[in-house]
Amino acid sequence: DSGVTQTPKHLITATGQRVTLRCSPRSGDLSVYWYQQSLDQGLQFLIQYYNGEERAKGNILERFSAQQFPDLHSELNLSSLELGDSALYFCASSPHEEGGKAFFGQGTRLTVV
Amino acid sequence: TQLLEQSPQFLSIQEGENLTVYCNSSSVFSSLQWYRQEPGEGPVLLVTVVTGGEVKKLKRLTFQFGDARKDSSLHITAAQPGDTGLYLCAGENSSASKIIFGSGTRLSIRP
Repeated sequence: DSGVTQTPKHLITATGQRVTLRCSPRSGDLSVYWYQQSLDQGLQFLIQYYNGEERAKGNILERFSAQQFPDLHSELNLSSLELGDSALYFCASSPHEEGGKAFFGQGTRLTVV
Repeated sequence: TQLLEQSPQFLSIQEGENLTVYCNSSSVFSSLQWYRQEPGEGPVLLVTVVTGGEVKKLKRLTFQFGDARKDSSLHITAAQPGDTGLYLCAGENSSASKIIFGSGTRLSIRP
């Protein structure tokens, strides 16, 4: 158990819909990272928040957004969902602003039908 | 565009054999990490290397960061079935604030 909690574990939704994925980092960790993992694209870094502020951005679509709340939990919002958005979405947390040891949650498997 | 290429993509070997997995890029990274991911689980960090030429050992696993900080290797000695999994390297470029993952090496160890 990494100490990072993601909910829900599984999500099935229709194209065009909007979903919110939730991540609770390890106690004391200030950084939260979001990743998308699909069979054809591998593990893609989406975005990082550090202590409530966006710190780094990767290959995140404009239809996707994220935020980190004062209690340090984070949400990833995916809107206007397409079939190609079906993937595993991972959250990771770290005590550091950059580098160091990051701990991954078990992921949310999103299926868009 | 920074890319991290891992080779081989798939590797199936007998228990007790040695193996090396490679992670290569044309770009320089400020640090590089290796993860192992098992089915249905998130990646688990194995090691972070920061200094060019650095070698780190974790029991039967030896990690090396290239002198130019563009490539890395993971060597496993006397592989065991418990080593089975997807091995991912990830490079961080702090100046560009980006973390890039390689496509992974899927390792299978036959008893």
